[in-house]
Amino acid sequence: DVKVTQSSRYLVKRTGEKVFLECVQDMDHENMFWYRQDPGLGLRLIYFSYDVKMKEKGDIPEGYSVSREKKERFSLILESASTNQTSMYLCASVDERYGYTFGSGTRLTVV
Amino acid sequence: AQSVTQLGSHVSVSEGALVLLRCNYSSSVPPYLFWYVQYPNQGLQLLLKYTSAATLVKGINGFEAEFKKSETSFHLTKPSAHMSDAAEYFCAVRNSGYSTLTFGKGTMLLVSP
Repeated sequence: DVKVTQSSRYLVKRTGEKVFLECVQDMDHENMFWYRQDPGLGLRLIYFSYDVKMKEKGDIPEGYSVSREKKERFSLILESASTNQTSMYLCASVDERYGYTFGSGTRLTVV
Repeated sequence: AQSVTQLGSHVSVSEGALVLLRCNYSSSVPPYLFWYVQYPNQGLQLLLKYTSAATLVKGINGFEAEFKKSETSFHLTKPSAHMSDAAEYFCAVRNSGYSTLTFGKGTMLLVSP
């Protein structure tokens, strides 16, 4: 089975901190994604990457950046965390055969 | 651009009753459509997907969905609800290009004894 692992289930950070959310997949998938999930809004795409060092903005990229130095790892970076970035963050990877596989999510609270 | 509308943020059923969760999509190309389920404090799990083969798609846990092009719908059904079906359900459409997904806002299914 494909595995997508997010390094933290819960994080609490202070306003203004730089925050790194890590995601690792074990199936050599090219495409990886970061979504944000908020009640009543569903999942919204922040950034995605279709290859090492390649990235594309999603629907809500403001306040975020990403890094993909190795194929298996895709990091989401909050340059200066703000309270409106308190949310559940979901990472996913995809291939044509298995479709999307999601990680378990990181619930980030910014105080 | 593709979009997805899920009717009803909450749906309540009794155990043993029919489950019907509604999803309508907008797509300029033949769509790939998905239903995902999310249990509390977990990631999303694929229930089923439509990829332009059979219009009636069977998924896990007894769920199925029917693609109706004329109605631009992909409603999710299950004949008899179980308590364990209580979760949030998301409909999604795959966008062309880089395989990103556009999700609906989700429907919380509540199952009462």
